[in-house]
Amino acid sequence: TQLLEQSPQFLSIQEGENLTVYCNSSSVFSSLQWYRQEPGEGPVLLVTVVTGGEVKKLKRLTFQFGDARKDSSLHITAAQPGDTGLYLCAGGIQGAQKLVFGQGTRLTINP
Amino acid sequence: GAVVSQHPSRVICKSGTSVKIECRSLDFQATTMFWYRQFPKKSLMLMATSNEGSKATYEQGVEKDKFLINHASLTLSTLTVTSAHPEDSSFYICSATGFQDTQYFGPGTRLTVL
Repeated sequence: TQLLEQSPQFLSIQEGENLTVYCNSSSVFSSLQWYRQEPGEGPVLLVTVVTGGEVKKLKRLTFQFGDARKDSSLHITAAQPGDTGLYLCAGGIQGAQKLVFGQGTRLTINP
Repeated sequence: GAVVSQHPSRVICKSGTSVKIECRSLDFQATTMFWYRQFPKKSLMLMATSNEGSKATYEQGVEKDKFLINHASLTLSTLTVTSAHPEDSSFYICSATGFQDTQYFGPGTRLTVL
């Protein structure tokens, strides 16, 4: 069974601070996707990374896929209250299409 | 692009009745769709993989006779919760697979069984 360990599971910081969320596994994934979910809504895709070592930036968000495609990180610079939400990482399983989800990180940015 | 809709967004039903939830990919075709269940403050739990034109593949522990899945076209999958009980109350979310096997999620359906 492939598992994705996501940490931290809860994070509450002040506006303007930086933060990093990690997803780690002993398994190799064909892709890694990051989602953000608001209460009562479905997850919204932020980014997909597919190449080991790949780095993608989305405004103040930086996503990195590990060289061995076993881990990923999400770094947020100068966090804002609008960044508050549940962040989910999900790993793609080669040939299976289904995703393995991390436990989620509930992020709260305080004004 | 890559929009997925779900209907209804909320449903309340009596114990023992059946409820159907629709999942549609609006601007792309999806041979594979997925159904998830999400408990409060938890991550997503995969229930089943829905393949167009064939039987769904259920995850271990999910009762296929209770959660009926039909994927009749490349843009529509349905989940029917049969003989619903209060413990079936949950947030149900579908997704459809697009480019690079990226999954695009619907907005979810809140089911409450009285």
